[in-house]
Amino acid sequence: GQNIDQPTEMTATEGAIVQINCTYQTSGFNGLFWYQQHAGEAPTFLSYNVLDGLEEKGRFSSFLSRSKGYSYLLLKELQMKDSASYLCAVLDSNYQLIWGAGTKLIIKP
Amino acid sequence: EPEVTQTPSHQVTQMGQEVILRCVPISNHLYFYWYRQILGQKVEFLVSFYNNEISEKSEIFDDQFSVERPDGSNFTLKIRSTKLEDSAMYFCASSSRENTGELFFGEGSRLTVL
Repeated sequence: GQNIDQPTEMTATEGAIVQINCTYQTSGFNGLFWYQQHAGEAPTFLSYNVLDGLEEKGRFSSFLSRSKGYSYLLLKELQMKDSASYLCAVLDSNYQLIWGAGTKLIIKP
Repeated sequence: EPEVTQTPSHQVTQMGQEVILRCVPISNHLYFYWYRQILGQKVEFLVSFYNNEISEKSEIFDDQFSVERPDGSNFTLKIRSTKLEDSAMYFCASSSRENTGELFFGEGSRLTVL
């Protein structure tokens, strides 16, 4: 079966750095995506990795290791508005997006 | 900035009733999707649509569900006879490219079936 695992919840302090991990087992791989979802709102696209390595976009970076089936999202200089769920999703061999359950990130002052 | 819009934002209906959820995708996008998210659970794929026909559909998308693009702008999801377990947030999404995971989501329509 297809599976994406990420922690259910994480807590971090404003101004700090947090790393949200994601591991996946899917039938094929055509890219890994991170989305941010504030409570009661739609997911919004954050990042895309298809090759191994780190992609940096401002305060957010995403890393991929295809051989390990592993990715992480790194958030720096955390702000209160970063409190949200972060969804890891993989595009499988049929170009279907397989979604993780999301990691709820709680930022404390 | 162009966005995907959905109506209604919230609909309450009785079990067995028909529901139509409406979406206006981003105007130059060609690929359209419906997803649902039961409260506290994963985002689940329902259906994708391109060139006026269904491209893919999931096991969830059974005979009770249908999609339509009645004109050049709207993309609708119909549930013929709602069940309690259809209560969820329904998200419409669109993309400009095929076979991409970069989707633009609408704000969602919350469906409550009583």
